[in-house]
Amino acid sequence: AQKITQTQPGMFVQEKEAVTLDCTYDTSDPSYGLFWYKQPSSGEMIFLIYQGSYDQQNATEGRYSLNFQKARKSANLVISASQLGDSAMYFCAMREPWYSIQGAQKLVFGQGTRLTINP
Amino acid sequence: DAGVTQSPTHLIKTRGQQVTLRCSPKSGHDTVSWYQQALGQGPQFIFQYYEEEERQRGNFPDRFSGHQFPNYSSELNVNALLLGDSALYLCASSLSTGGAGTDTQYFGPGTRLTVL
Repeated sequence: AQKITQTQPGMFVQEKEAVTLDCTYDTSDPSYGLFWYKQPSSGEMIFLIYQGSYDQQNATEGRYSLNFQKARKSANLVISASQLGDSAMYFCAMREPWYSIQGAQKLVFGQGTRLTINP
Repeated sequence: DAGVTQSPTHLIKTRGQQVTLRCSPKSGHDTVSWYQQALGQGPQFIFQYYEEEERQRGNFPDRFSGHQFPNYSSELNVNALLLGDSALYLCASSLSTGGAGTDTQYFGPGTRLTVL
C-alpha cells in the first residue's frame, strides 16, 4: 500500500530564507506521481508542483522546486526566498499508479507540515 | 476561467440527518474526486466519478454516495450523519488523459460540515 510520511508537524522560518519541507513515500510500483499542495487557512488546496517517477530532472515552478531522490524515496519541497504569504499547511501527495485502473487518479496524502514565516 | 466551485461553504446538521454537497469542476475537466479532511489531518479519498460512473472508491461506508451529471458536475450525499462525519469536504477536478499527462487534480474551496 502507498504511504506518504511528513515528519515535520511545524516549521518556523524567517522571511526571505529558503525552506525545505520533507516528504518520504512508500510504494512498490515503478510508475507514480508526486504532488505538493498548499492549504491556507481558507481551506482550498492549491497545487504547487508535480514530479513523475520517470522524470529525469527535478521539477521547478517559480520559487518552488522538488528535490526528488528516487533511491531514498524522498520528494522534498524547497521554497526559495520565503514570503509572509507562504505561511500555510503543506501537503505531499502521491498519485496511485495510473495503470492499476485506467486513468484512476486517487491521491494519497501525508499529514502535512504547518509552515510559519516570521517577518 | 472559473476554477472548481463548491456549495454550500458551511453546513450544520444534526445526527441522523442527510446532506448533499455540490461541486462544479474546472472548465474542460471531466473527472471529479471527493475527499474528506478531518481537523488536523490530510485529506482522505472518498470516491471518484468519470463519465457519470463511480470509477474508484476509498474506505468509506455506503452512507457516502455520489453522482456525476452529464455536465460533469457532481454531488456527494451522506446519509444517517454521525458526529464523526464533521469535516472539510473537498472536491477536486481533473482531465483524464489515460496516463498521458500529469492528470493534476485541482481543488475547490471545500464545504465545512458540522454535525451536532
